[in-house]
Amino acid sequence: EDQVTQSPEALRLQEGESSSLNCSYTVSGLRGLFWYRQDPGKGPEFLFTLYSAGEEKEKERLKATLTKKESFLHITAPKPEDSATYLCAVQADGGTSYGKLTFGQGTILTVHP
Amino acid sequence: DSGVTQTPKHLITATGQRVTLRCSPRSGDLSVYWYQQSLDQGLQFLIQYYNGEERAKGNILERFSAQQFPDLHSELNLSSLELGDSALYFCASSVDLARSTDTQYFGPGTRLTVL
Repeated sequence: EDQVTQSPEALRLQEGESSSLNCSYTVSGLRGLFWYRQDPGKGPEFLFTLYSAGEEKEKERLKATLTKKESFLHITAPKPEDSATYLCAVQADGGTSYGKLTFGQGTILTVHP
Repeated sequence: DSGVTQTPKHLITATGQRVTLRCSPRSGDLSVYWYQQSLDQGLQFLIQYYNGEERAKGNILERFSAQQFPDLHSELNLSSLELGDSALYFCASSVDLARSTDTQYFGPGTRLTVL
């Protein structure tokens, strides 16, 4: 069974204090690893898709990386508007699960001014 | 705005009742997915439809059913509602499973409260 574990559960940062969020996964065959951002009461907002170990993607203050067992979301010089829950999800390759995403529990990020 | 729409935004009902949640996918997307998000379970996959046909099932209860119509919109039907069914229900859509990029874009969700 596919599993995703995110750590830490919650992270409090000062504005400008860089840090990283971790996503560990086990999947029979990885089709893609996805990062989403979710604000309270809203739908998840797509950030990145990573497909193979060694791949990196960047968007503004966020950078996502992927290894064979985990992914990191690095946040550089965060601002209060980066406060949200960050969700990691995996999509397995083949089998009967097709497009199903398996999500982690998320990391709640709070950035203080 | 992801382009995925869901109605209603909020739904309050009583135990034992039946409700229908509606989703319209992004223009051009053929796949629709339904997810349930509760505080203790996180985001859980329920069911997927592709071009009108059921493609995959997750931990969807027998009291729940879904369908995708010829115009590609989808409905999730929840019946014999229980207190534990209170949650956020999200619909997502994607372009085509055959492509290597299959990003799912989520709608704003329907908050269901069962009293």
